[in-house]
Amino acid sequence: GAVVSQHPSRVICKSGTSVKIECRSLDFQATTMFWYRQFPKQSLMLMATSNEGSKATYEQGVEKDKFLINHASLTLSTLTVTSAHPEDSSFYICSARDGMTVNTEAFFGQGTRLTVV
Amino acid sequence: AQSVTQLDSQVPVFEEAPVELRCNYSSSVSVYLFWYVQYPNQGLQLLLKYLSGSTLVKGINGFEAEFNKSQTSFHLRKPSVHISDTAEYFCAVSDRGSGSEKLVFGKGTKLTVNP
Repeated sequence: GAVVSQHPSRVICKSGTSVKIECRSLDFQATTMFWYRQFPKQSLMLMATSNEGSKATYEQGVEKDKFLINHASLTLSTLTVTSAHPEDSSFYICSARDGMTVNTEAFFGQGTRLTVV
Repeated sequence: AQSVTQLDSQVPVFEEAPVELRCNYSSSVSVYLFWYVQYPNQGLQLLLKYLSGSTLVKGINGFEAEFNKSQTSFHLRKPSVHISDTAEYFCAVSDRGSGSEKLVFGKGTKLTVNP
């Protein structure tokens, strides 16, 4: 099946610094990717929809200037957490669908555990 | 807008016992339905999905689910669980009518299989 690779799997950063998370579709083209955030013992909350070649669409309550999304190619989307604070510590997961088929299955990355100290 | 309710936050069972994880959804339009499994510190893996056709859907690892439109449910079942099935399970829906690819997740059910 299709594979989505997310990197890094874990990252620790200092407060005030920025962290970039990459999400790659390895064997298909993803015109749209999704970024989720998961708090401990809770469900995934959609943060934003990343569209190739255009601006991302953010969900209500998500700061677009804090969570910068770039989808520069059909196989890569990046999420940058700017000026990170401890409350940004969370598990971030991306997903993508194959834009060339009608299949509605979303493939998920392995997730990134962000810890801000 | 859609919403998903997973009625049980935790389900403990003994190995080789049957299990049912409940999922109900709410939507004003037709939906696709999914079950995902998440192991600790990992992403989500698709167990099964309902798009159309037969309401009984079989997935990986011996899981199956039945779509019940009248009850707006999509419960997940396995006749005999293994220790390795211990994980978090998420039910999700997406809006098929508008072509939206967004998934709305339930809060998850933690399945613990005890020896």
